[in-house]
Amino acid sequence: AQSVTQLGSHVSVSEGALVLLRCNYSSSVPPYLFWYVQYPNQGLQLLLKYTSAATLVKGINGFEAEFKKSETSFHLTKPSAHMSDAAEYFCAVSLNSGGYQKVTFGIGTKLQVIP
Amino acid sequence: KAGVTQTPRYLIKTRGQQVTLSCSPISGHRSVSWYQQTPGQGLQFLFEYFSETQRNKGNFPGRFSGRQFSNSRSEMNVSTLELGDSALYLCASSASRDRGPGSGANVLTFGAGSRLTVL
Repeated sequence: AQSVTQLGSHVSVSEGALVLLRCNYSSSVPPYLFWYVQYPNQGLQLLLKYTSAATLVKGINGFEAEFKKSETSFHLTKPSAHMSDAAEYFCAVSLNSGGYQKVTFGIGTKLQVIP
Repeated sequence: KAGVTQTPRYLIKTRGQQVTLSCSPISGHRSVSWYQQTPGQGLQFLFEYFSETQRNKGNFPGRFSGRQFSNSRSEMNVSTLELGDSALYLCASSASRDRGPGSGANVLTFGAGSRLTVL
C-alpha cells in the first residue's frame, strides 16, 4: 500500500521568503514522486518529478525537491516566494502496480504569499 | 498540441438526477483517469481507462461509472445524485503503456475540471 502525508493544509509566507512544503510518503517499494500545482479554477500541472535519477530534482518556476529515503520525505522548496506562487500544491506517489500506474495524492497544501 | 478538454466546466443539478461528464485526452494518450476533488479530502481516485477497458477502480459506490471510446475520449456518469457529490471532477490523461517497467513514472496531464453542484 502507498500513502502520502502533507503536513500543513495552509502555509503562509511573505513575498521573498523561503517556501517549504512538506511531504512524507509510505511505500513498500521505491516510488516515483511528484509535485503538482493547481491555480484557481484550473486543473493540476506538473511542477517536478523524482524517478531515482537524482535525489535533488529541479522543477519549473524555481521550485525544487529533495528525495530523502531515510526520512521518507520529498519536501518542496523555493528560495524566494513570489506572489504568483499562491496556489495549492499536491504531492503524489506513484507505483508500477501489476504493470499499471497507481497514483495516490496528498490532501494538498494551500500556499498564501503575503506582500 | 491541445490539452485535456473537459466539458461542461460548470453544472448544477438537483438530488436524484444524473449527470454525464466528458473528457477528451491529449492526442495519442490512451490512458484516462478520473478524480473527485473536494475541500478537505484532496483528490480521490475514481477509475482509470486504457484502450476502452477499466484497469483500476477506486472506492466509490456503483452510482459512479465510466467508459472510454475507441478514440480514447472518456465519459463518467453519476446517477441518483446526492448532495455529497458536489465536487470538482478532474480528468487526467497519460501516455501510459499497457504494461511495462517504469509505467509508474508517467506524468498525468489534467483538464481544468467540471465543477458539479448538487442542490
